[in-house]
Amino acid sequence: DGGITQSPKYLFRKEGQNVTLSCEQNLNHDAMYWYRQDPGQGLRLIYYSQIVNDFQKGDIAEGYSVSREKKESFPLTVTSAQKNPTAFYLCASSLGGDTSETQYFGPGTRLLVL
Amino acid sequence: GENVEQHPSTLSVQEGDSAVIKCTYSDSASNYFPWYKQELGKRPQLIIDIRSNVGEKKDQRIAVTLNKTAKHFSLHITETQPEDSAVYFCAATPSGSARQLTFGSGTQLTVLP
Repeated sequence: DGGITQSPKYLFRKEGQNVTLSCEQNLNHDAMYWYRQDPGQGLRLIYYSQIVNDFQKGDIAEGYSVSREKKESFPLTVTSAQKNPTAFYLCASSLGGDTSETQYFGPGTRLLVL
Repeated sequence: GENVEQHPSTLSVQEGDSAVIKCTYSDSASNYFPWYKQELGKRPQLIIDIRSNVGEKKDQRIAVTLNKTAKHFSLHITETQPEDSAVYFCAATPSGSARQLTFGSGTQLTVLP
């Protein structure tokens, strides 16, 4: 899991602002994922990508957007349409897109609203 | 879609005792069940997983059992140690690329010295 990184560690968003969270992996994994973690709740899937230039919505995609232009990178944009963005965001990757493969997580980004 | 319920939400045990965390799932097609451990301020890490073709799997002090008929699976930690204190998440999914992991809400385990 040391091969997957996220930045920044903390991010502050102002009203009406879009912010982008970075996720990079050097594990040569095809699949990447974005989860949101709120206190007392499990991880909820925002978006996932099984291959470059392709991605699918997860359970809570509204107010978020992603891109997958490179195999190593899967940035997440939290748009102004996301009304409750304060949360801990985790990026993960797995070797392939089969859900029975181990997902490796990044260290996370904590997003706070000013 | 899949729904995973996890109990208890918090669990305190004395060092050396055993801890058991239980999860139930709704989708009978689910056949892969991983458990993740998340220490305070750190990333979740896979600690053990089980597939539907087996009923139990052990790895040193950790074991997972699966009852497909009742659609529930459990994590067992024996001889608990302070470093076992963390949040534990269960998850379930059918294998294949069309479906994704559904996580339980987590259990905060505290091992008291």
